[in-house]
Amino acid sequence: DAGITQSPRHKVTETGTPVTLRCHQTENHRYMYWYRQDPGHGLRLIHYSYGVKDTDKGEVSDGYSVSRSKTEDFLLTLESATSSQTSVYFCAISGQSTDTQYFGPGTRLTVL
Amino acid sequence: GQQLNQSPQSMFIQEGEDVSMNCTSSSIFNTWLWYKQDPGEGPVLLIALYKAGELTSNGRLTAQFGITRKDSFLNISASIPSDVGIYFCAGREGAQKLVFGQGTRLTINP
Repeated sequence: DAGITQSPRHKVTETGTPVTLRCHQTENHRYMYWYRQDPGHGLRLIHYSYGVKDTDKGEVSDGYSVSRSKTEDFLLTLESATSSQTSVYFCAISGQSTDTQYFGPGTRLTVL
Repeated sequence: GQQLNQSPQSMFIQEGEDVSMNCTSSSIFNTWLWYKQDPGEGPVLLIALYKAGELTSNGRLTAQFGITRKDSFLNISASIPSDVGIYFCAGREGAQKLVFGQGTRLTINP
């Protein structure tokens, strides 16, 4: 299994509060991704990173920001959580841009 | 953005039956991937396809990259209880981005 961990694994928060999710990898892979998974939508890309301090937007980036100050960590921040951001969030990594993406175990976020 | 249509959305079968599912796209992809997701876990890669017409097997699983590059198929032969889960197709769009289908939920009656 690829060495990917996500924290926390579960979180319940209230509307309007900031939330940060962490993805940590031990594979030294260059590329890291954040997805959200919702019923009927599969997985949708939020943001991705192609190196330290290098990030770009995905399909559903509104309301989310990311940061990558070290190769091994990729943070996803919801500045002011909304109920529509209740979802399961997955981090993924890949060594090269065309390589297979390997997924972490996910974080279940509930915004009340 | 790109849309992948995955069908069927759900399947209820008897143990030992064969399973077929597919994904179609309105646009061309240069890579197709098939993932399986168990409850409470992240998707795990089953098969990767890189060439139009390619047919690849992984044990009881067989997947094909359609000739038009707009579709892909996954077959599971002689299903067993551990095959239960959600199967996702994904197409590679550009250099990095994957586009995922909505998933096929497989349920097996023993």
